[in-house]
Formats: sequence, structure tokens, C-alpha cells
Amino acid sequence: ETGVTQTPRHLVMGMTNKKSLKCEQHLGHNAMYWYKQSAKKPLELMFVYNFKEQTENNSVPSRFSPECPNSSHLFLHLHTLQPEDSALYLCASSPAAGGPSNEQYFGPGTRLTVT
Amino acid sequence: DAKTTQPPSMDCAEGRAANLPCNHSTISGNEYVYWYRQIHSQGPQYIIHGLKNNETNEMASLIITEDRKSSTLILPHATLRDTAVYYCIVRGNTDKLIFGTGTRLQVFP
Repeated sequence: ETGVTQTPRHLVMGMTNKKSLKCEQHLGHNAMYWYKQSAKKPLELMFVYNFKEQTENNSVPSRFSPECPNSSHLFLHLHTLQPEDSALYLCASSPAAGGPSNEQYFGPGTRLTVT
Repeated sequence: DAKTTQPPSMDCAEGRAANLPCNHSTISGNEYVYWYRQIHSQGPQYIIHGLKNNETNEMASLIITEDRKSSTLILPHATLRDTAVYYCIVRGNTDKLIFGTGTRLQVFP
């Protein structure tokens, strides 16, 4: 148990559906992250939020829309996804973004399948 | 961020020390060495990090060579639950954790 929870743990959705992934951290951290892990590929950073402000978007398609209402919660809104978006989506948090000594703690992930 | 090189796989007997090497010959002065592990289908787990001094915590020890071009993660008494993929990451002043392919450690009874 890392102090970072994600729901749902598994999600199957059609290409025309709209769904949201939720992440919550209980560590008092100020930075939160979304990562994508596809089969046979390394982990890819998608978005970074620091004190509720988005500080990084790594050229993520607009069908992925993040939301950070406060430092403890992070959402990833999904719409009109493609089958190649099927992956493990991981949330992480850290005390603050930036700086080289800033360990990130990961949640268990949401396994997303787009049909 | 500097690139790291790790062996693709290693075996270790239960109860023995597991020594996982990592080369990072292009590391620069402000970059830290981080270690994470990922057990199948779970989120990565932070293990330890360091800059130039050796570090130890309840999970592992990190030995960094004096020239900082390589490091070794030591799990002092490996258990079956330590079977995982171990990632060595060099990280500077960026939020990006660049995960490579890591070392798949298999602990056997």
C-alpha cells in the first residue's frame, strides 16, 4: 500500500464511450502524475500537475483530458478512445514536482481495454 | 537525462543477497540515481535513490562508484516476493522518470 489509490482497477470501454479514471493520494504530496504503460513498451509520462496546475503535457492526444481539482485528487477523462489506447494507466504523486531528489509513489494502476 | 544499461535478467537464491548492477557512464553532476521495481501488473515501487554517497534503507542498499558511472542495488536477503523487474533511472531536474527495460530478477527457493 503506497498511499496512492486508483479506481477503477479494470475498465473495458467502447470507442464511443466516455469514462473517467480517478486517483487519490493520502501522502500530503503536492504533485501528481499520469503515466501510460503499454505492453512491451516502457512507462511513458503523460501529464504533470504541481500545486493543482498542469506543468507538463507530453504531446498527449486531446481524447485524454486530465483534471486536478486539488492536490489530493487527479482525474483522467477519456472519450472516443482507440484500441491502441488499451494500456495500464498509472497515477503517481511526489512531494512537489521538479528537482532531482523527488521520489514518486505509484498507485496500482487502471487496466484499460478499448474495444 | 543520462541513459542507463542493465542486464536483462538475473537469478538469485532465496536468502542470498541480490546484487543488481547498472551502468550510467554519461551521468552528469546534478543527476540522481533512482531504483524502482515493478511486480507483474502492479504499479512501480520506489526503492531508493542517491547522488554520490552510498545509501541504505529498510528495503535495500545503493552503492555508487566514486566516478558515479555505475551503481549496484543490493537486496541483502532476497525473498520470493522480491521477484520483479528492477529499473535503474538517472534523473536530473525533470519530472520525467525514463524507464528502460530493466532487469528481471527471479528469486528461486
